[in-house]
Amino acid sequence: QKEVEQDPGPLSVPEGAIVSLNCTYSNSAFQYFMWYRQYSRKGPELLMYTYSSGNKEDGRFTAQVDKSSKYISLFIRDSQPSDSATYLCAMSVSGGSYIPTFGRGTSLIVHP
Amino acid sequence: ETGVTQTPRHLVMGMTNKKSLKCEQHLGHNAMYWYKQSAKKPLELMFVYSLEERVENNSVPSRFSPECPNSSHLFLHLHTLQPEDSALYLCASSQDPATPYNEQFFGPGTRLTVL
Repeated sequence: QKEVEQDPGPLSVPEGAIVSLNCTYSNSAFQYFMWYRQYSRKGPELLMYTYSSGNKEDGRFTAQVDKSSKYISLFIRDSQPSDSATYLCAMSVSGGSYIPTFGRGTSLIVHP
Repeated sequence: ETGVTQTPRHLVMGMTNKKSLKCEQHLGHNAMYWYKQSAKKPLELMFVYSLEERVENNSVPSRFSPECPNSSHLFLHLHTLQPEDSALYLCASSQDPATPYNEQFFGPGTRLTVL
Protein backbone atom coordinates (compact mmCIF):
# COMPACT_ATOMS: atom_id res chain seq x y z
CA GLN A 1 0.00 0.00 0.00
CA LYS A 2 1.36 3.40 -0.99
CA GLU A 3 1.83 5.88 1.84
CA VAL A 4 -0.28 8.57 0.13
CA GLU A 5 -3.00 7.72 -2.37
CA GLN A 6 -4.47 10.29 -4.73
CA ASP A 7 -6.68 9.75 -7.77
CA PRO A 8 -4.84 11.19 -10.80
CA GLY A 9 -8.05 12.17 -12.62
CA PRO A 10 -8.47 14.11 -14.80
CA LEU A 11 -11.39 15.77 -13.08
CA SER A 12 -13.34 17.97 -15.48
CA VAL A 13 -15.91 20.44 -14.15
CA PRO A 14 -17.81 23.46 -15.47
CA GLU A 15 -16.88 26.94 -14.31
CA GLY A 16 -18.58 27.81 -11.02
CA ALA A 17 -18.71 24.23 -9.75
CA ILE A 18 -17.58 23.16 -6.29
CA VAL A 19 -14.56 20.89 -6.60
CA SER A 20 -13.53 18.26 -4.08
CA LEU A 21 -10.01 16.84 -4.23
CA ASN A 22 -8.98 14.07 -1.84
CA CYS A 23 -6.09 12.03 -0.53
CA THR A 24 -5.89 9.05 1.78
CA TYR A 25 -2.84 7.99 3.70
CA SER A 26 -1.65 5.05 5.72
CA ASN A 27 0.91 6.55 8.13
CA SER A 28 -0.89 7.69 11.28
CA ALA A 29 2.21 9.69 12.29
CA PHE A 30 1.52 12.34 9.66
CA GLN A 31 0.65 15.60 11.41
CA TYR A 32 1.29 18.32 8.84
CA PHE A 33 -0.83 18.40 5.71
CA MET A 34 -0.30 20.51 2.64
CA TRP A 35 -1.73 21.10 -0.81
CA TYR A 36 0.47 22.15 -3.68
CA ARG A 37 -0.76 23.43 -7.04
CA GLN A 38 1.19 22.78 -10.22
CA TYR A 39 0.39 24.61 -13.45
CA SER A 40 1.47 23.16 -16.77
CA ARG A 41 5.23 23.57 -17.40
CA LYS A 42 5.78 24.90 -13.87
CA GLY A 43 6.92 23.43 -10.58
CA PRO A 44 4.45 22.90 -7.71
CA GLU A 45 3.79 25.76 -5.32
CA LEU A 46 2.33 25.62 -1.83
CA LEU A 47 -1.34 26.50 -1.79
CA MET A 48 -2.48 25.69 1.74
CA TYR A 49 -1.36 23.90 4.86
CA THR A 50 -3.04 22.61 8.00
CA TYR A 51 -1.88 21.01 11.20
CA SER A 52 -3.50 17.82 12.51
CA SER A 53 -7.30 17.70 12.25
CA GLY A 54 -9.78 20.40 11.35
CA ASN A 55 -10.61 22.86 8.64
CA LYS A 56 -8.80 25.84 7.24
CA GLU A 57 -10.29 28.35 4.83
CA ASP A 58 -8.52 30.77 2.50
CA GLY A 59 -10.74 32.60 0.06
CA ARG A 60 -12.37 30.05 -2.24
CA PHE A 61 -10.24 27.22 -0.88
CA THR A 62 -10.93 25.05 2.16
CA ALA A 63 -8.60 22.34 3.42
CA GLN A 64 -10.02 19.64 5.64
CA VAL A 65 -8.27 16.89 7.60
CA ASP A 66 -9.94 13.85 9.14
CA LYS A 67 -7.20 12.00 10.99
CA SER A 68 -9.53 9.27 12.26
CA SER A 69 -10.21 8.28 8.64
CA LYS A 70 -6.73 9.19 7.38
CA TYR A 71 -8.38 11.35 4.75
CA ILE A 72 -7.73 14.92 3.63
CA SER A 73 -9.67 17.11 1.24
CA LEU A 74 -9.33 20.35 -0.64
CA PHE A 75 -12.52 22.12 -1.66
CA ILE A 76 -12.60 24.84 -4.29
CA ARG A 77 -15.73 26.99 -4.42
CA ASP A 78 -16.84 28.88 -7.53
CA SER A 79 -14.12 27.20 -9.58
CA GLN A 80 -12.52 29.24 -12.36
CA PRO A 81 -10.69 28.20 -15.55
CA SER A 82 -7.55 29.62 -13.90
CA ASP A 83 -7.87 26.86 -11.27
CA SER A 84 -7.05 24.30 -13.98
CA ALA A 85 -3.88 22.65 -12.72
CA THR A 86 -2.61 19.54 -10.97
CA TYR A 87 -3.16 19.51 -7.21
CA LEU A 88 -0.74 17.48 -5.11
CA CYS A 89 -1.34 16.64 -1.49
CA ALA A 90 1.68 16.35 0.78
CA MET A 91 2.16 15.43 4.41
CA SER A 92 4.92 15.07 6.95
CA VAL A 93 5.50 13.70 10.43
CA SER A 94 6.23 15.78 13.49
CA GLY A 95 9.78 16.11 14.80
CA GLY A 96 13.15 15.74 13.13
CA SER A 97 13.06 16.32 9.41
CA TYR A 98 9.82 17.64 7.95
CA ILE A 99 10.46 16.44 4.41
CA PRO A 100 7.03 15.97 2.86
CA THR A 101 5.66 12.81 1.28
CA PHE A 102 3.67 13.66 -1.83
CA GLY A 103 0.72 12.10 -3.62
CA ARG A 104 0.77 11.76 -7.38
CA GLY A 105 -1.52 14.72 -7.96
CA THR A 106 -5.02 15.15 -9.38
CA SER A 107 -5.39 16.92 -12.71
CA LEU A 108 -8.26 19.43 -12.60
CA ILE A 109 -9.79 21.00 -15.70
CA VAL A 110 -12.33 23.80 -15.24
CA HIS A 111 -14.01 24.57 -18.54
CA PRO A 112 -15.81 27.86 -19.27
CA GLU B 1 16.67 35.87 -11.57
CA THR B 2 14.29 35.08 -8.76
CA GLY B 3 13.14 31.91 -7.04
CA VAL B 4 14.54 28.60 -8.24
CA THR B 5 15.90 28.23 -11.75
CA GLN B 6 16.77 25.04 -13.61
CA THR B 7 18.71 24.42 -16.80
CA PRO B 8 18.24 22.97 -19.29
CA ARG B 9 14.45 22.94 -19.49
CA HIS B 10 14.46 20.05 -21.94
CA LEU B 11 17.08 17.35 -22.49
CA VAL B 12 17.18 14.38 -24.84
CA MET B 13 20.01 11.95 -24.34
CA GLY B 14 21.08 8.51 -25.41
CA MET B 15 21.73 5.76 -22.92
CA THR B 16 25.51 6.13 -23.25
CA ASN B 17 25.62 9.91 -22.83
CA LYS B 18 26.73 11.87 -19.79
CA LYS B 19 24.89 15.08 -18.97
CA SER B 20 24.26 17.32 -15.98
CA LEU B 21 21.22 19.17 -14.71
CA LYS B 22 21.75 22.46 -12.95
CA CYS B 23 19.66 24.16 -10.28
CA GLU B 24 20.15 27.53 -8.65
CA GLN B 25 18.14 29.09 -5.84
CA HIS B 26 18.05 32.84 -5.20
CA LEU B 27 16.08 32.64 -1.95
CA GLY B 28 18.85 32.31 0.62
CA HIS B 29 17.60 28.87 1.65
CA ASN B 30 19.68 26.26 3.45
CA ALA B 31 18.30 23.06 1.91
CA MET B 32 18.02 21.84 -1.65
CA TYR B 33 16.29 18.80 -3.12
CA TRP B 34 16.02 16.71 -6.27
CA TYR B 35 12.66 15.12 -7.07
CA LYS B 36 11.56 12.89 -9.94
CA GLN B 37 8.05 13.34 -11.32
CA SER B 38 6.75 10.58 -13.58
CA ALA B 39 3.29 10.30 -15.07
CA LYS B 40 0.76 8.75 -12.69
CA LYS B 41 3.35 8.30 -9.90
CA PRO B 42 3.85 10.24 -6.68
CA LEU B 43 6.53 12.87 -6.63
CA GLU B 44 9.64 10.91 -5.65
CA LEU B 45 12.30 12.43 -3.42
CA MET B 46 15.78 11.57 -4.71
CA PHE B 47 18.30 13.60 -2.74
CA VAL B 48 18.35 16.19 0.03
CA TYR B 49 21.17 18.54 0.91
CA SER B 50 21.12 20.67 4.02
CA LEU B 51 23.89 23.25 4.40
CA GLU B 52 25.68 21.55 1.48
CA GLU B 53 25.75 18.18 3.24
CA ARG B 54 23.78 15.27 1.82
CA VAL B 55 21.27 14.19 4.46
CA GLU B 56 19.07 11.83 2.51
CA ASN B 57 19.47 9.55 -0.47
CA ASN B 58 16.35 7.57 -1.23
CA SER B 59 17.93 4.44 -2.72
CA VAL B 60 18.57 6.17 -6.02
CA PRO B 61 20.57 4.21 -8.62
CA SER B 62 24.22 5.21 -8.88
CA ARG B 63 23.72 6.42 -12.45
CA PHE B 64 22.35 9.57 -10.76
CA SER B 65 25.03 11.50 -8.91
CA PRO B 66 24.24 14.75 -7.06
CA GLU B 67 26.63 17.56 -6.29
CA CYS B 68 26.06 20.57 -4.05
CA PRO B 69 29.08 22.91 -4.22
CA ASN B 70 27.39 25.64 -2.13
CA SER B 71 23.99 26.41 -0.64
CA SER B 72 22.76 28.10 -3.84
CA HIS B 73 23.70 25.51 -6.45
CA LEU B 74 22.75 21.90 -6.98
CA PHE B 75 23.67 19.58 -9.83
CA LEU B 76 22.47 16.17 -10.91
CA HIS B 77 25.01 14.30 -12.99
CA LEU B 78 23.55 11.65 -15.27
CA HIS B 79 25.32 8.74 -16.95
CA THR B 80 24.25 5.50 -18.66
CA LEU B 81 20.59 6.20 -18.04
CA GLN B 82 17.73 3.90 -18.98
CA PRO B 83 14.57 4.80 -20.92
CA GLU B 84 12.54 4.41 -17.69
CA ASP B 85 14.51 7.35 -16.28
CA SER B 86 12.61 9.65 -18.64
CA ALA B 87 10.67 12.05 -16.42
CA LEU B 88 10.44 15.61 -15.17
CA TYR B 89 13.26 16.33 -12.72
CA LEU B 90 12.36 19.01 -10.24
CA CYS B 91 14.71 20.91 -8.02
CA ALA B 92 13.41 22.54 -4.85
CA SER B 93 14.76 24.54 -1.95
CA SER B 94 13.50 25.25 1.54
CA GLN B 95 14.57 27.44 4.41
CA ASP B 96 15.17 24.61 6.90
CA PRO B 97 14.00 20.98 6.72
CA ALA B 98 13.66 20.96 10.52
CA THR B 99 10.81 23.49 10.50
CA PRO B 100 7.14 22.39 10.35
CA TYR B 101 5.59 22.36 6.86
CA ASN B 102 9.07 22.92 5.43
CA GLU B 103 7.63 24.73 2.41
CA GLN B 104 9.26 23.54 -0.78
CA PHE B 105 9.99 26.13 -3.47
CA PHE B 106 10.23 24.36 -6.80
CA GLY B 107 11.92 25.22 -10.05
CA PRO B 108 10.14 24.62 -13.37
CA GLY B 109 11.87 21.29 -13.90
CA THR B 110 13.96 19.65 -16.61
CA ARG B 111 12.00 17.38 -18.96
CA LEU B 112 14.39 14.48 -19.61
CA THR B 113 13.93 11.97 -22.40
CA VAL B 114 16.26 8.98 -22.60
CA LEU B 115 16.33 7.26 -25.98
